[in-house]
Amino acid sequence: EAGVAQSPRYKIIEKRQSVAFWCNPISGHATLYWYQQILGQGPKLLIQFQNNGVVDDSQLPKDRFSAERLKGVDSTLKIQPAKLEDSAVYLCASTNTGDSYEQYFGPGTRLTVT
Amino acid sequence: GQSLEQPSEVTAVEGAIVQINCTYQTSGFYGLSWYQQHDGGAPTFLSYNALDGLEETGRFSSFLSRSDSYGYLLLQELQMKDSASYFCASLTGGGNKLTFGTGTQLKVEL
Repeated sequence: EAGVAQSPRYKIIEKRQSVAFWCNPISGHATLYWYQQILGQGPKLLIQFQNNGVVDDSQLPKDRFSAERLKGVDSTLKIQPAKLEDSAVYLCASTNTGDSYEQYFGPGTRLTVT
Repeated sequence: GQSLEQPSEVTAVEGAIVQINCTYQTSGFYGLSWYQQHDGGAPTFLSYNALDGLEETGRFSSFLSRSDSYGYLLLQELQMKDSASYFCASLTGGGNKLTFGTGTQLKVEL
């Protein structure tokens, strides 16, 4: 079974530029999550999708971050414009409905904003 | 809000037993998960406690006490490959949302 795929693995941009991250969850997983992990901290939930609907985006900085999962499969997270404090690893995870305690994480995208 | 506290670092020798504690203040609590993350790697699921008591999975065990808002991860027969960060995470939001703790960096020495 293929795992969660993410791209790119690394990205370096200047502040005020825009960036997009892509995630393809495990086949059949209805729930998809985007997390932000700053160095030395635990992952912080940004947004949760159930199929193509948003379940929780309470911690997403909506003035600069957006995410979509149009067909209920893969998803894109965008930052526009980026700030220095957005430097972090962006993790995508997926799970079966009802098993949210066990999430499967992708390798992440390490973003550096200079 | 939700908060989970863990020790920042724990050091132990190969072959030993180590316990990583987690205290939480969480509303709408369903259960407690544990994840392992090697440097530069993705978090991987280790264990989940929905009920009070001990869950055993090979060398790893996890414990939960809902009345004390406390849990721990027990690692036995430590190996060098166990050097990693360990996160507790509370399940809330109707059983759909994980909130991660601050993480404990475990260093296993010879």
